[in-house]
Amino acid sequence: DAGVTQSPTHLIKTRGQQVTLRCSPKSGHDTVSWYQQALGQGPQFIFQYYEEEERQRGNFPDRFSGHQFPNYSSELNVNALWLGDSALYLCASSTGTGTGELFFGEGSRLTVL
Amino acid sequence: AQKITQTQPGMFVQEKEAVTLDCTYDTSDQSYGLFWYKQPSSGEMIFLIYQGSYDEQNATEGRYSLNFQKARKSANLVISASQLGDSAMYFCAMSAANQAGTALIFGKGTTLSVSS
Repeated sequence: DAGVTQSPTHLIKTRGQQVTLRCSPKSGHDTVSWYQQALGQGPQFIFQYYEEEERQRGNFPDRFSGHQFPNYSSELNVNALWLGDSALYLCASSTGTGTGELFFGEGSRLTVL
Repeated sequence: AQKITQTQPGMFVQEKEAVTLDCTYDTSDQSYGLFWYKQPSSGEMIFLIYQGSYDEQNATEGRYSLNFQKARKSANLVISASQLGDSAMYFCAMSAANQAGTALIFGKGTTLSVSS
């Protein structure tokens, strides 16, 4: 049973560029959340997708957008990158029942130069 | 607003000893969930243990137990019989409401180093 998979694992971009990160949830999970983890910090909630719609959003600008596909996989897009966007981006999947336990992928490490 | 505080940037313990990682939280909600996650150097966050705000018993999962003191708003993680593989970053987190599908709020984490 595959867990949460994310791609790419590492990428380097320059300021002003755009990036797309991808996530496939754990089998049987229908909800995908994205978190940003800056170096030495805890993860911060970006947004959550359920039934192909954004259900919750954290305190992130509109440059951060996402999408969920019918197979529950998800993309995170960040436009107009700046240096402060350098971070580990974690995708987490869950079901709509239970305690809300999240299953995380290994993340995509983005470096903005 | 909800907040998680982890005051120990780093903890050091010898193999086979027990260690307590501190976590305090702030919320005005009556219903919430508390989580602990482990993050090894690979980056993946691994779920360890969960405690619901209405659970009267402290949660336990193998070598992990959660010391839940509601009046003090603390949710400390106790790891018994530490192993070298326990060396990692540990995060305490809280759900905004004690139900599935809500965002988690994380603390800044504690780095645990286990030596032989």
